[in-house]
Amino acid sequence: EAQVTQNPRYLITVTGKKLTVTCSQNMNHEYMSWYRQDPGLGLRQIYYSMNVEVTDKGDVPEGYKVSRKEKRNFPLILESPSPNQTSLYFCASSLVPGTGVQETQYFGPGTRLLVL
Amino acid sequence: DAKTTQPPSMDCAEGRAANLPCNHSTISGNEYVYWYRQIHSQGPQYIIHGLKNNETNEMASLIITEDRKSSTLILPHATLRDTAVYYCIVFRYNFNKFYFGSGTKLNVKP
Repeated sequence: EAQVTQNPRYLITVTGKKLTVTCSQNMNHEYMSWYRQDPGLGLRQIYYSMNVEVTDKGDVPEGYKVSRKEKRNFPLILESPSPNQTSLYFCASSLVPGTGVQETQYFGPGTRLLVL
Repeated sequence: DAKTTQPPSMDCAEGRAANLPCNHSTISGNEYVYWYRQIHSQGPQYIIHGLKNNETNEMASLIITEDRKSSTLILPHATLRDTAVYYCIVFRYNFNKFYFGSGTKLNVKP
């Protein structure tokens, strides 16, 4: 089954304690992306990757890091989490977007993060 | 920024057509418009996308104006399960980014 998986699904942590949210896709997609969703603000892109070893900032990258060492994995790293990073996080993947073919962007189930 | 503008909420009677508008007046000629929906806090689900021509699939129809500055998503026979937040999105080639609007909360009522 084609899918994007995220772990953990729920996480409560404390300020400053480094954490990683994993994301994996089994569709051989080049494009992967992380979003955060906050009430009233919709989805905002944090980072994206066009392919292995190619990553770039989205609209709200401050406080986050990512890596793309393998095509299937795109972990999101919070080196020193703060309470304003409490949010719902989604990972997504697709073939290279903008070509008009096979454009579906698959989203993971989401990770709820609470930073105390 | 290729911002999209959508009404914050709309109501629709069950069984009737739901027409969800989106304004994307800064869209460039080769940029696609996508529609997704999100039920509760689940991951957004792809609905349809288009460039210039109107598109239809098993879920919905997409009508894009000739000047491409706006589009309308049509759910031909809305059901209660279509209650969700609908997002109109433009992918900006120059920035390799998807820009989500704030979405429209569609309330389908019996």
